[in-house]
Amino acid sequence: SAVISQKPSRDICQRGTSLTIQCQVDSQVTMMFWYRQQPGQSLTLIATANQGSEATYESGFVIDKFPISRPNLTFSTLTVSNMSPEDSSIYLCSVELNDYEQYFGPGTRLTVT
Amino acid sequence: QKEVEQNSGPLSVPEGAIASLNCTYSDRGSQSFFWYRQYSGKSPELIMSIYSNGDKEDGRFTAQLNKASQYVSLLIRDSQPSDSATYLCAGLSRSSGGFKTIFGAGTRLFVKA
Repeated sequence: SAVISQKPSRDICQRGTSLTIQCQVDSQVTMMFWYRQQPGQSLTLIATANQGSEATYESGFVIDKFPISRPNLTFSTLTVSNMSPEDSSIYLCSVELNDYEQYFGPGTRLTVT
Repeated sequence: QKEVEQNSGPLSVPEGAIASLNCTYSDRGSQSFFWYRQYSGKSPELIMSIYSNGDKEDGRFTAQLNKASQYVSLLIRDSQPSDSATYLCAGLSRSSGGFKTIFGAGTRLFVKA
């Protein structure tokens, strides 16, 4: 497995502002993912972040709203831009290891007021 | 639209009983499947992966895969109150960019002491 940390663990932000979430892994990984999870709901994939290439976004998510950086094989950031209350959610990063198994970070709980 | 479907529950079982969690998937080409456990307020953690038809056992957990019928199940023997959580089933499907993990909505399990 892998040890994954996320910062911040939670934040309360005002609408119209932006928040950058950091994801750090203790080993080099090729595939990293960013998910969103509303309370009581399942995981929604936002984008796949591979080192050295542009992130691949899922339908309904755009780079202007959720810019992602992947500067190296152990780190990635997700920015939630121009936030609205609808962006309130838990944001999770994950990494893919052997045989497509995914391991998740602890999550960032975001509340937009 | 490739889907993984689960009964949302809640599934309630008495302590010591066998909990049976089921999942069906639409993509006949899927080859790999995963079970994740998610405690309330926590991120998902990988319990088991299964790639071949049949049963795979790990401690109190047994994953079962039937590709002909397109279903995956997770059996938890000697259920404990600490097993109370949401269990997410996931399948690996081909996508335009390679492979993509499709998560089900999860089944909530309550183990009554």
